[in-house]
Amino acid sequence: EAQVTQNPRYLITVTGKKLTVTCSQNMNHEYMSWYRQDPGLGLRQIYYSMNVEVTDKGDVPEGYKVSRKEKRNFPLILESPSPNQTSLYFCASSLSANNQETQYFGPGTRLLVL
Amino acid sequence: QKEVEQDPGPLSVPEGAIVSLNCTYSNSAFQYFMWYRQYSRKGPELLMYTYSSGNKEDGRFTAQVDKSSKYISLFIRDSQPSDSATYLCAINTNAGKSTFGDGTTLTVKP
Repeated sequence: EAQVTQNPRYLITVTGKKLTVTCSQNMNHEYMSWYRQDPGLGLRQIYYSMNVEVTDKGDVPEGYKVSRKEKRNFPLILESPSPNQTSLYFCASSLSANNQETQYFGPGTRLLVL
Repeated sequence: QKEVEQDPGPLSVPEGAIVSLNCTYSNSAFQYFMWYRQYSRKGPELLMYTYSSGNKEDGRFTAQVDKSSKYISLFIRDSQPSDSATYLCAINTNAGKSTFGDGTTLTVKP
């Protein structure tokens, strides 16, 4: 089954404790992207990756890091989480950046930073 | 000013009504236009995708793009209670940058 998986689905942590949210897709997609969703603000793009070893900043990259060492995985790293990073996070992938018809979203990760 | 502005809603309509959802954008580099539906506590689901001006129809849904006015719309015909959700417009550059509207919450009453 074609899918994007995210782990963990729910996470409560404390300020400053490094964490990683994993994202994996099984469709051999080149393009992957991370978003955060806050009430009333739609989705805001954090980082995206056009292919392995190619990543770019979205609209809200501050406080986040990503890596794309292999095609299927695109982890989101919070080196020193702060309460303003409490949010719902979505990972998405598609065949390419210009082929959003093939896009799949993950189920979301709900993060609470105390 | 936001690069993508979406009519905020919320919108409440009776079953069977025609629904019109709208977004405007400011960046001429935007080339790909999407509409998503998001049910509560779920991830967005792609409804419509287009990259040219004009209309694209899929069942009860029609996406309309006017690049000259930087205006996109989604029409839902014969709306059903199951269409009750938040609808998000999204616009991409060809370099992969993606910008979403804030979403419009639609309720279709039986």
